[in-house]
Amino acid sequence: ETGVTQTPRHLVMGMTNKKSLKCEQHLGHNAMYWYKQSAKKPLELMFVYSLEERVENNSVPSRFSPECPNSSHLFLHLHTLQPEDSALYLCASSPADSYNEQFFGPGTRLTVL
Amino acid sequence: SQQGEEDPQALSIQEGENATMNCSYKTSINNLQWYRQNSGRGLVHLILIRSNEREKHSGRLRVTLDTSKKSSSLLITASRAADTASYFCATPNQAGTALIFGKGTTLSVSS
Repeated sequence: ETGVTQTPRHLVMGMTNKKSLKCEQHLGHNAMYWYKQSAKKPLELMFVYSLEERVENNSVPSRFSPECPNSSHLFLHLHTLQPEDSALYLCASSPADSYNEQFFGPGTRLTVL
Repeated sequence: SQQGEEDPQALSIQEGENATMNCSYKTSINNLQWYRQNSGRGLVHLILIRSNEREKHSGRLRVTLDTSKKSSSLLITASRAADTASYFCATPNQAGTALIFGKGTTLSVSS
């Protein structure tokens, strides 16, 4: 256990559905991240939140909408996704003054039909 | 944009052998990190080496960093079946706000 939990662990959704991924960290960190991991591709950074403010939006389509209500929780709201959005979505956290040594959750395996 | 690139992409060895993975990067860095990922799971931080360090050890792991060649290597000694995983190097992005990961090396250790 890394202290970062993600729910659900698996999600299957249609292209017209709206769903949300949840991430929670119990490490007292102030920075949280969403990454996308597709087969045969490097881990792609999507969003970075530091002290609950978004500091990085890595050209992610608007059908992905992040939300960070407090330093312990991070959400990724999904709307009208495409099949190519199927991937493992990983959440991570770290101290805000050091983006090193990130702690990752187990990921949500998303399948878009 | 991709910063680190691991080599080889895949490596298969027998238990007890050593495994060496390499990482090359493009821009100046102040540190480089290695992570491990078991199949379909999250990444686990293994070791961080700073730009003023040349070598670092942690248990059976040995990491080297050559800033003149912009490269790093991860050596796993006396490998075990449980070391089977993908290994990624990561470097800070230019803004220093996040990490950029390579594609990884998939290590398979058979008993």
